[in-house]
Amino acid sequence: DARVTQTPRHKVTEMGQEVTMRCQPILGHNTVFWYRQTMMQGLELLAYFRNRAPLDDSGMPKDRFSAEMPDATLATLKIQPSEPRDSAVYFCASGLEHTEAFFGQGTRLTVV
Amino acid sequence: KQEVTQIPAALSVPEGENLVLNCSFTDSAIYNLQWFRQDPGKGLTSLLLIQSSQREQTSGRLNASLDKSSGRSTLYIAASQPGDSATYLCAVRDSGGFKTIFGAGTRLFVKA
Repeated sequence: DARVTQTPRHKVTEMGQEVTMRCQPILGHNTVFWYRQTMMQGLELLAYFRNRAPLDDSGMPKDRFSAEMPDATLATLKIQPSEPRDSAVYFCASGLEHTEAFFGQGTRLTVV
Repeated sequence: KQEVTQIPAALSVPEGENLVLNCSFTDSAIYNLQWFRQDPGKGLTSLLLIQSSQREQTSGRLNASLDKSSGRSTLYIAASQPGDSATYLCAVRDSGGFKTIFGAGTRLFVKA
């Protein structure tokens, strides 16, 4: 049963700490997306990759957020330093070009 | 800049009723449109994907239509059931085929 896997599922951290979220896309998918979901803003696109290359990360606060794909089986989203306003659910999605996107279960981040 | 709007924001209907959810987008130069379902505290489940060249897609009790020129899509749910209660999200992928913008969703409650 192919699925997008995100770890951790929940993360509570103190303000100022580094947070790393991981995503394992579905094997064979060549596009990866990172989204952030909050009650106020809904789902916001942070970054997306094609064939491991970042195509657009304009939705990401550059000073503290970074996204990478060290290999085809792993995508990471890092926040350093974290702030309370970063509290949200972060979703990773993967797909093939021009087809439907499949979402992971999300990482619920709470920064206190 | 693409903007996606979903109406209504929330809907409560008795079991068995047929219903229509609406999605509108400002830029008709889209590659495809996807409808998702999200249960509380869960990830997104893809329901239907309509390519820009298509007019509609059907899956079981669900039917989604697309009118690209007018910037509208509808999701029709026939014979609604309490298990259909969830938030339904519409997502538009741009003509380049990568950037996907979400609407705020319609929260549906089907009463038994």
